[in-house]
Amino acid sequence: AQSVTQLDSQVPVFEEAPVELRCNYSSSVSVYLFWYVQYPNQGLQLLLKYLSGSTLVKGINGFEAEFNKSQTSFHLRKPSVHISDTAEYFCAVTPMNYGGSQGNLIFGKGTKLSVKP
Amino acid sequence: NAGVTQTPKFRVLKTGQSMTLLCAQDMNHEYMYWYRQDPGMGLRLIHYSVGEGTTAKGEVPDGYNVSRLKKQNFLLGLESAAPSQTSVYFCASSYGGRMDTQYFGPGTRLTVL
Repeated sequence: AQSVTQLDSQVPVFEEAPVELRCNYSSSVSVYLFWYVQYPNQGLQLLLKYLSGSTLVKGINGFEAEFNKSQTSFHLRKPSVHISDTAEYFCAVTPMNYGGSQGNLIFGKGTKLSVKP
Repeated sequence: NAGVTQTPKFRVLKTGQSMTLLCAQDMNHEYMYWYRQDPGMGLRLIHYSVGEGTTAKGEVPDGYNVSRLKKQNFLLGLESAAPSQTSVYFCASSYGGRMDTQYFGPGTRLTVL
């Protein structure tokens, strides 16, 4: 079974400052990793995903994440945030091996990013 | 393209009442999912479907039923609503399985009194 831990439930930051949202996972098999963003009163949309290859993944809106297999982490970063980045961010994993499930995502509990002027 | 749409957007039920949530997608996706989102809990999978006529249980299926009679539609039913089912419900779809992006609808906020 897989589990995802998002270490911070809330992250306040000032506009134009850098931000890192932390995600650690637990799994006995290799996983695919995702970050989704949920803007207020909306559904989720994909920011980026790691399937294979380079461990540094670039996504939309200037976000990037680095997969660290030894530390089982997939932290999300942005060098300079904007007010419009205020949202809730979810880390998610799914096992690479078939294992009987059809690609079901296991989500973390979310991190609320609040960007202040 | 409308993407993934959900009907209704809001609903208030009394304990014991039944209702059906409708999800529709126009992207010709094979996979469809129903999640519930509760504060501090993230999203939890209720049921999913890997194609027309198929359904399967997710992490929290009790008290819900689903049907996928048409490829583009995925219905979530509550036969006898309970206050514990107060939540925001999201439908999602994807072209393939585990490595594919899921596209989410705007959600349905359900309150059970």
